[in-house]
Parts: sequence; C-alpha cells; structure tokens
Amino acid sequence: DAGVTQSPTHLIKTRGQHVTLRCSPISGHKSVSWYQQVLGQGPQFIFQYYEKEERGRGNFPDRFSARQFPNYSSELNVNALLLGDSALYLCASSPGVGNQPQHFGDGTRLSIL
Amino acid sequence: QQQVKQSPQSLIVQKGGIPIINCAYENTAFDYFPWYQQFPGKGPALLIAIRPDVSEKKEGRFTISFNKSAKQFSLHIMDSQPGDSATYFCAASISGSARQLTFGSGTQLTVLP
Repeated sequence: DAGVTQSPTHLIKTRGQHVTLRCSPISGHKSVSWYQQVLGQGPQFIFQYYEKEERGRGNFPDRFSARQFPNYSSELNVNALLLGDSALYLCASSPGVGNQPQHFGDGTRLSIL
Repeated sequence: QQQVKQSPQSLIVQKGGIPIINCAYENTAFDYFPWYQQFPGKGPALLIAIRPDVSEKKEGRFTISFNKSAKQFSLHIMDSQPGDSATYFCAASISGSARQLTFGSGTQLTVLP
C-alpha cells in the first residue's frame, strides 16, 4: 500500500507570494495533520482535519489555512509568505482521531527567497 | 506546559553500543509517547510508542522506559548498527479529538562501524 504522499517535493517562492501544498493520506485513513519542521528542530503542529472538519489548530498565524476534501486528501495554504516560513512541511495521516498512530509523508521543502 | 525536552542533542556510539536518548515533559495530561526516526530527506517514521500505564516496552532492538512520577521517558537502542544513524525525536500527545503531537528537539545519532 502507498504511504502518505505529498506534492510538490520542493518549492521555491519569494516573499509575499502564496503557496498551496497537497497531501494524500494512506488509503482508509480519514484524519490528516500538518506540521512545520524548521531545519534542526522537531516538527511543530499546524492543523488537524478529520472528516473534512478542523479538529485542532496550533500556534500559527491566520496566513496559514487548510482544508480536507471528500476523498480525505488535504491542502495547506500559506499567504503572504515570509522568509521564516522556509521549512519542511509534513503531512501525517491516521485512521481516525484519538489513540491512533500518525504516519508521516516525506514532506514538501519550501524555500522563501 | 506543552514542551517536551530532549537530550542529548547529538550522540556518537560504536557499533554494538547502546545509545540512550532521554525526554522529559511537564504536562501530566500527556498520555501517549511515541518515538520517531528521521533520515535526511525523509519524513519521520514511527518506531515505537508507549502509554503511561506501562513502565517499559520492547519492539525488536528498541526499548522505551517510562517513569511516570519523574515525567521522563527514554529510548534505548540495543546492538546499534551504522544503519541506525539518523535523527530521533520523542513526542507526546493528549487523547482527544485532536491528536496533536508535541515533539522534542531531536537527537542526531551516529553509529560508527
């Protein structure tokens, strides 16, 4: 079975632009979470979606938004990009919410110039 | 309250050695403690996880020790191999509608041949 897939793998943007990152969860998984991993640090929680509803939000500005589609795939949108948004953006999926392990994709490397 | 503190930042051992990575947490509401392994260019991969109702869990060469009263947990890698060289992250979360993982800062492990 395919794991969590994310696209694109790499992306270069300039300050002030907008970006959309995409994630397809493991087949059968209904929950998707997004994390930001700055170089040299642990991942930091951004959002969790389950059954197309937002179930959790981390300490990120409103420039960050996300949604989940009926097929359980998800998009992360970031507006008005800043240099500090340069990071690896990770998507994780799990069968549902609660006591179930999260499985991560390989991420999208976003570089802001 | 949400922090998970991880040490050491880096660790070098000889092949066959037993590296030990430690984590400490403050929030007593945490009830799920996974460990992830991350190779360069890849997303974190779940290694092993423990809940606070047990003091130790083994899966293959990986063992988690958990001390609820001290609010600490650690990862031991038995008979370490050069292929174990990676960055290891501890994490913690609270059961509920949003399985938000709070990660430690990571330990870069190098196993020398």
